[in-house]
Amino acid sequence: EVQLLESGGGLVQPGGSLRLSCAASGFTFSSYAMSWVRQAPGKGLEWVSAISSNGGSTYYADSVKGRFTISRGNSKNTLFLQMNSLRAEDTALYYCARLVTTTVTKTNLDYWGQGNLVTVSS
Amino acid sequence: DIQMTQSPSTLSASVGDRVTITCRASQSISSWLAWYQQKPGKAPKLLIYKASSLQSGVPSRFSASGSGTEFTLTISSLQPDDFATYHCQQYDSYPWTFGQGTKVEIK
Repeated sequence: EVQLLESGGGLVQPGGSLRLSCAASGFTFSSYAMSWVRQAPGKGLEWVSAISSNGGSTYYADSVKGRFTISRGNSKNTLFLQMNSLRAEDTALYYCARLVTTTVTKTNLDYWGQGNLVTVSS
Repeated sequence: DIQMTQSPSTLSASVGDRVTITCRASQSISSWLAWYQQKPGKAPKLLIYKASSLQSGVPSRFSASGSGTEFTLTISSLQPDDFATYHCQQYDSYPWTFGQGTKVEIK
């Protein structure tokens, strides 16, 4: 069974940093591209970032480019999102999700984690 | 960026009704469109990929069609488990974008 478990969220002050992790199990992690998607309270879904299976290709939403960094540790089956210079508008539930192929283009998400809440507030 | 617009935003229906949700893209995305179902407090669940392909395990009452800029998701006979919010998403080009969601409520 595919499982994705996010951790690392919490309350942080504006300008602060957090590192989200997503522990993957039930599939060969190194064979799949991965992504982060967020959902602000009561709002719709917003794609944040994606990374290819080998980490060689990454993409970011304009709203986080230059502040967030996606990475992965294939030996530990873990996806990461380093979030710096956090703003109030980054407050959201952050989901880790699997893409259906190794690459990050023309490929949809299939499995999602349960999400981890990040709150940016003073 | 490609804008995705869903209609309606909210839909009130009864069990057994046929329900159709529309998603429009601001430019052609070929068939690179997915539909997700999301229940309160839960993660989205993939229903449809590549505009009309049913994800494994999804009931056959769900179907979808479209290409280019106009897409539809249809539930042939609404069941109690189907009351949820439905999101479309384009993956033709980055940044990936979602529609604003359609909430299907009990009438």
